[in-house]
Amino acid sequence: EAEVAQSPRYKITEKSQAVAFWCDPISGHATLYWYRQILGQGPELLVQFQDESVVDDSQLPKDRFSAERLKGVDSTLKIQPAELGDSAMYLCASSYLGRGYTFGSGTRLTVV
Amino acid sequence: GENVEQHPSTLSVQEGDSAVIKCTYSDSASNYFPWYKQELGKRPQLIIDIRSNVGEKKDQRIAVTLNKTAKHFSLHITETQPEDSAVYFCAASISGTSYGKLTFGQGTILTVHP
Repeated sequence: EAEVAQSPRYKITEKSQAVAFWCDPISGHATLYWYRQILGQGPELLVQFQDESVVDDSQLPKDRFSAERLKGVDSTLKIQPAELGDSAMYLCASSYLGRGYTFGSGTRLTVV
Repeated sequence: GENVEQHPSTLSVQEGDSAVIKCTYSDSASNYFPWYKQELGKRPQLIIDIRSNVGEKKDQRIAVTLNKTAKHFSLHITETQPEDSAVYFCAASISGTSYGKLTFGQGTILTVHP
């Protein structure tokens, strides 16, 4: 079964440092999503790509977060500088026109 | 944008009992309604979904019903087992387009007591 790959699985970083997460979607899935899930809450969309273009980044804190998908395949989400409130699970998902939605295993970020 | 409300936030049942979780959505254009089960520290796993052209769908002990007029949908788990204990999330999206963004409910912590 095809999977969405994410790395790292866990990341501990100090406040004010930079951190980056990587996601490789299922082959053929043109749409890629980055979600943030704070403990005890549902996932919230940060950014959505269609191929290499951003189609929704309305909830992305653009002063510190950035995301790219340069060749329309894998993607990187970056936080600089990290804050204590950024501690969360960062989930990547992919789909083909909203179908076949699949989540990756996520990256658990702890900011100390 | 879409808003999804989920109730209850916690649900405790005895093994063998039924459990029902309810969600309402705001955007009448939403046409895809998945339910996810999430165990601690793991990714959300799709357990069942329903599209707006169907009123009910069943898969063994799990069923989902959809009322488009009232804009609400529900998850029904029968003959609950301890391994059903987890957090359950409902979601809504507009599928079949380049959008497909999922808007999640707040989650329900289900505890099944042996």
